[in-house]
Amino acid sequence: GAGVSQSPSNKVTEKGKDVELRCDPISGHTALYWYRQSLGQGLEFLIYFQGNSAPDKSGLPSDRFSAERTGGSVSTLTIQRTQQEDSAVYLCASSPSSASGSYEQYFGPGTRLTVT
Amino acid sequence: AQSVTQLDSQVPVFEEAPVELRCNYSSSVSVYLFWYVQYPNQGLQLLLKYLSGSTLVKGINGFEAEFNKSQTSFHLRKPSVHISDTAEYFCAATKAAGNKLTFGGGTRVLVKP
Repeated sequence: GAGVSQSPSNKVTEKGKDVELRCDPISGHTALYWYRQSLGQGLEFLIYFQGNSAPDKSGLPSDRFSAERTGGSVSTLTIQRTQQEDSAVYLCASSPSSASGSYEQYFGPGTRLTVT
Repeated sequence: AQSVTQLDSQVPVFEEAPVELRCNYSSSVSVYLFWYVQYPNQGLQLLLKYLSGSTLVKGINGFEAEFNKSQTSFHLRKPSVHISDTAEYFCAATKAAGNKLTFGGGTRVLVKP
């Protein structure tokens, strides 16, 4: 079946602009995660959704970052007033319901964001 | 708090030689461990996982890892590598289903002919 998809695959934006990154999880997966991968910081957790609610937002680095999930499916990560330090690869992952006891997360190919 | 340490940032190895990638974790609670591989310009692919039971875990592509609770380690091994194993490898941990993964810094494996 289809895996996790993310769009766009690459995004170049000017400093100060807003960007939206999209994640389409595996059908039926209720858990959705956003991570950021950058040269200096490695792989960092950003936010976790269970259904449409976000019980863990502890990794969002500032209030310029927000995310939402609608219909228990697609999620959008929004970065407002982008800064050069936001340049990174943003990875999305999904997982079956935590109630199922599944620990494995399935990752998308990522969106490479470059802020100029 | 949970943390994961990968002791080697880069590991060069010759084709058909064995390789071991080291991973240590710290956690005050039960921990579940994973190894992921990332090929250039791709997302992360799960190699193997340890949840419970046998401490020797076999994964895809001939990889295996051993969970050692007393040494808080989860080292990844492959007896004979191929050129196609050139990639970055990440060790990760979580304390429960539905929790975030905490990643190590990654180990870049370069297989030379």
